[in-house]
Amino acid sequence: KQEVTQIPAALSVPEGENLVLNCSFTDSAIYNLQWFRQDPGKGLTSLLLIQSSQREQTSGRLNASLDKSSGRSTLYIAASQPGDSATYLCAVSLKETSGSRLTFGEGTQLTVNP
Amino acid sequence: DAGITQSPRHKVTETGTPVTLRCHQTENHRYMYWYRQDPGHGLRLIHYSYGVKDTDKGEVSDGYSVSRSKTEDFLLTLESATSSQTSVYFCALRAGWTGELFFGEGSRLTVL
Repeated sequence: KQEVTQIPAALSVPEGENLVLNCSFTDSAIYNLQWFRQDPGKGLTSLLLIQSSQREQTSGRLNASLDKSSGRSTLYIAASQPGDSATYLCAVSLKETSGSRLTFGEGTQLTVNP
Repeated sequence: DAGITQSPRHKVTETGTPVTLRCHQTENHRYMYWYRQDPGHGLRLIHYSYGVKDTDKGEVSDGYSVSRSKTEDFLLTLESATSSQTSVYFCALRAGWTGELFFGEGSRLTVL
């Protein structure tokens, strides 16, 4: 059974700092990995999707990397802003399901202080 | 915006009553999902659908049923709601071959 762990559970940083969020998974036979953002009381917003054949994806100030062999992904946020405050979740789908089912981590709650 | 709407957005009901949550998409995506989100458990898959009348169970399917009679609608039914089913329910759809998931805004259900 795939298990996804996100560390730390919560993180507080001053505005402008570069930061890294971590995601680890137990089964390396993945189809893809996806990072989401969730604001309080809202649904999940897709940030970045990394296919199993890729090593990283970038969108603006966000960069996500994938290392299947070690079962890890990182989400790098450059020059953090108060508007980045949210919970960040990673989710992994397995090859055996052709990516049809995702397993989620419990998220990292990020607070960026002005 | 993947064109997903959930209804109702909020519902309070009593133990033992039936409840149906609706997920509607404006596009033609094949895969649709129902998740529940609870503190300490994260997001857990209840059921999913891979086409009209094609559904399968997720990891927490007990007490729930689903139906998909049209591509655009995926219904989640609690036949007899229990307090343990108090949760926030999210519908999601999978966009094309990439497998990227898009989520609705959620339906908050309280069972008294």
